Amino acid sequence: QKEVEQNSGPLSVPEGAIASLNCTYSDRGSQSFFWYRQYSGKSPELIMFIYSNGDKEDGRFTAQLNKASQYVSLLIRDSQPSDSATYLCAGGGGSEKLVFGKGTKLTVNP
Amino acid sequence: DVKVTQSSRYLVKRTGEKVFLECVQDMDHENMFWYRQDPGLGLRLIYFSYDVKMKEKGDIPEGYSVSREKKERFSLILESASTNQTSMYLCASSDFLAGGPGTQYFGPGTRLLVL
Repeated sequence: QKEVEQNSGPLSVPEGAIASLNCTYSDRGSQSFFWYRQYSGKSPELIMFIYSNGDKEDGRFTAQLNKASQYVSLLIRDSQPSDSATYLCAGGGGSEKLVFGKGTKLTVNP
Repeated sequence: DVKVTQSSRYLVKRTGEKVFLECVQDMDHENMFWYRQDPGLGLRLIYFSYDVKMKEKGDIPEGYSVSREKKERFSLILESASTNQTSMYLCASSDFLAGGPGTQYFGPGTRLLVL
């Protein structure tokens, strides 16, 4: 059974801090990883994807992938109250399907 | 921008009714997906389709069927709705990517209540 594990949280950080969200996956065949943000009552929206080992930066967001450790993370710099949401990690490889984690709830306190 | 639309945002049905949920995407994507999302259980794949008239069961297909007669449209059918099918239903689409998977784009969701 392919699994993606996330700490459910809640993770609470003060405004302006760095929020660190982590994800591990069981399938060594997974090649592509995605981070989605989901506000309460809304559908998931893509933040970024990462395919290669190392870091990928997009504005305040940095995704990190370590395939040897089967570990993916998302760092949010200068966290804002508007970043408060549930963050879903998803991975897959070799097919069109993604395996989603159950999400980590992030609260950014003003 | 990719746009995925779903026929209803909220739906209330009676036990035993046949329920149709429709999803339309405007990006000519090959793949379409139906998920349900429940608190504590995360997103669970019900069915997906990789081409017109093609479908594949996901993790929880029991009690559901799907139809894809046109590339842009993917329907989820609850043959006889039951209270345990009360949930948020999310449709997604993605383009084919060699070595897969491509980015999935989600519709706004349908919150279904079965009484």
